[in-house]
Amino acid sequence: SYVLTQPPSVSVAPGKTASITCGGNNIGSKSVHWYQQKPGQAPVLVVYDDSDRPSGIPERFSGSNSGNAATLTISRVEAGDGADYYCQVWDSSSDSDPYVFGTGTKVTVL
Amino acid sequence: EVQLVESGGGLVQPGGSLRLSCSASGFTFSSYWMSWVRQAPGKGLEWVASIKEEGGKEYYVDSVKGRFTISRDSAKTSLYLQMNSLRAEDSAVYYCARPMYYDILSGLGPLDSWGQGTLVTVSS
Repeated sequence: SYVLTQPPSVSVAPGKTASITCGGNNIGSKSVHWYQQKPGQAPVLVVYDDSDRPSGIPERFSGSNSGNAATLTISRVEAGDGADYYCQVWDSSSDSDPYVFGTGTKVTVL
Repeated sequence: EVQLVESGGGLVQPGGSLRLSCSASGFTFSSYWMSWVRQAPGKGLEWVASIKEEGGKEYYVDSVKGRFTISRDSAKTSLYLQMNSLRAEDSAVYYCARPMYYDILSGLGPLDSWGQGTLVTVSS
């Protein structure tokens, strides 16, 4: 089945930019979605279809996707952005496990 | 406002069964695919199953095929997950979630609405 690899952790100072990568074979040919999850809460969709934002999500959250890596970028990081972030794709080439989540990245705001 | 409320979790012995329910409101339930996603304690997200708008097409993660069954009742605007032959590794918070879309080219879209989750613990 398709594998999405993320760095386990990313640390960033307030006001700076955090970048979270999501690696997968030819992921640039797929639509990538990103979720934010805070402790004890359900995940929240923050970016979908590579770079679109749901209503209510700040413009500070942006995404890109090309080649073998997708990236979620959080600009002007705030303390409240500290959370776990997961990428996700639909792997249409797989009859099993088509709905794939990445391994997750814990973002720590210093 | 979209609302998804799960119920039915609890403690069950290995080999036992449990049926999870998800009550949906705030949107036209019969027009959307629906999904279950789980998260073991301290672990990442794992998609479990998805079902087509009016049923008739389902997808499952390999590890639950033959043991879990996803179903829905449009009249009750409810989603279900029948879990049989439960194992310790099935212990997790189970979330009901709504995919934003299904597209013939892109497949099942992102999950734009989630419930609060219900905890399933499989232990003797």
